[in-house]
Amino acid sequence: RKEVEQDPGPFNVPEGATVAFNCTYSNSASQSFFWYRQDCRKEPKLLMSVYSSGNEDGRFTAQLNRASQYISLLIRDSKLSDSATYLCAVTANPPGAGKSTFGDGTTLTVKP
Amino acid sequence: DAMVIQNPRYQVTQFGKPVTLSCSQTLNHNVMYWYQQKSSQAPKLLFHYYDKDFNNEADTPDNFQSRRPNTSFCFLDIRSPGLGDAAMYLCATSRVEAGGAFFGQGTRLTVV
Repeated sequence: RKEVEQDPGPFNVPEGATVAFNCTYSNSASQSFFWYRQDCRKEPKLLMSVYSSGNEDGRFTAQLNRASQYISLLIRDSKLSDSATYLCAVTANPPGAGKSTFGDGTTLTVKP
Repeated sequence: DAMVIQNPRYQVTQFGKPVTLSCSQTLNHNVMYWYQQKSSQAPKLLFHYYDKDFNNEADTPDNFQSRRPNTSFCFLDIRSPGLGDAAMYLCATSRVEAGGAFFGQGTRLTVV
């Protein structure tokens, strides 16, 4: 079983739709959680950190469920420009401090 | 603008010929990472530095070495590239070990 698992998709949604991605992790000692966006053949870019209380940045909302060991990303009112691969990353406490483990990513295509 | 810069963007090397990839940062972050990413896969951590402290992943092949001569620069040396080492190599930085990472644009390595 992979340490971090994501549904690879692809998710194909119309503009304006709401879409949600989940990411599960196996290491219960994990302490830091992030969502990244990666466009085709480009580098990952940090989208947002995920806190226990949840956090929101415009149309994007991230949630953490420690009991079930998953994080989620909700995108409301999807735009064409949201089309990308979304990677989750999980960082464990020592031992392994500093090691972010990435999921394989979920591909989103937003269509007109 | 503060950033993470990788050179070269594209590198073609011959099978078995040593190659060095470079990374510099103006963010003054303590932590620098090297990731390998193959198509449709998660970035895979090769090693990271916290200041001068080097942390090697257990499954990173001996063929891969790294140097960090100062805070701003980090190098990835591949001593004898094989066909299986063709990938995107991503350098990233973070302010603290468990922080979100900022990536360079990557170096796409082709082995012929």
